[in-house]
Amino acid sequence: QLQLQESGSGLVKPSQTLSLTCAVSGGSISSGGYSWNWIRQPPGKGLEWIGYIYHTENTQFNPSLKSRLTMSVDRSKNQFSLNLRFATAADTAVYYCARGTYYFDSSGYAFDIWGQGTLVTVSS
Amino acid sequence: DIQLTQSPSSLSASVGDRVTITCRTSQTIDTYLNWYQQRPGKAPNLLIYAASTLQSGVPSRFSGSGSGTDFTLTISSLQPEDFTTYYCQQTYTNLWTFGQGTKVEF
Repeated sequence: QLQLQESGSGLVKPSQTLSLTCAVSGGSISSGGYSWNWIRQPPGKGLEWIGYIYHTENTQFNPSLKSRLTMSVDRSKNQFSLNLRFATAADTAVYYCARGTYYFDSSGYAFDIWGQGTLVTVSS
Repeated sequence: DIQLTQSPSSLSASVGDRVTITCRTSQTIDTYLNWYQQRPGKAPNLLIYAASTLQSGVPSRFSGSGSGTDFTLTISSLQPEDFTTYYCQQTYTNLWTFGQGTKVEF
């Protein structure tokens, strides 16, 4: 059973870089056809998709974050990472990693496996 | 961006009730619409994808319908563990967006 686990700094100072890693276990990140996503949720609020990366390193980002965002994949460690530069209080949120799956039977695309989430607070 | 508006934002119900949540999109998205359930302190869990296909392992009391701009999630007989928050999501464009959520309360 594939599992995802987020890790990284829980406290980031304003203007610094927010860095997170998602470790994939029970399967290979290099399995074709899946995207590896980041989604965040500010306390008490809704969900915001941040972006995805494929094992080929192709990426797609939310335009609202694109100028500050970098994603990478480490196939040898079976993990992928997010770096969000120039963090502000507005970036305080629970950050989730999730697998994106294409369903050929119905031409659907959805996040079928999620990590448990990690809270990142941006504060001095 | 495609905006998703869920209604109601919250509802009160009882065990055994039939509950319907609506998601309306700002432009047509065919059937690229998913539904997630999120319990407090937990990650979202995929219930329905492609508007009406039940994800493996999800109880059959959950169902989805719709296409274009109007979609519904129905819980046929509400169970105690269903009192939580539900989100719709579109994956039609390259910018995937979520609805604001619907909280089902006792």
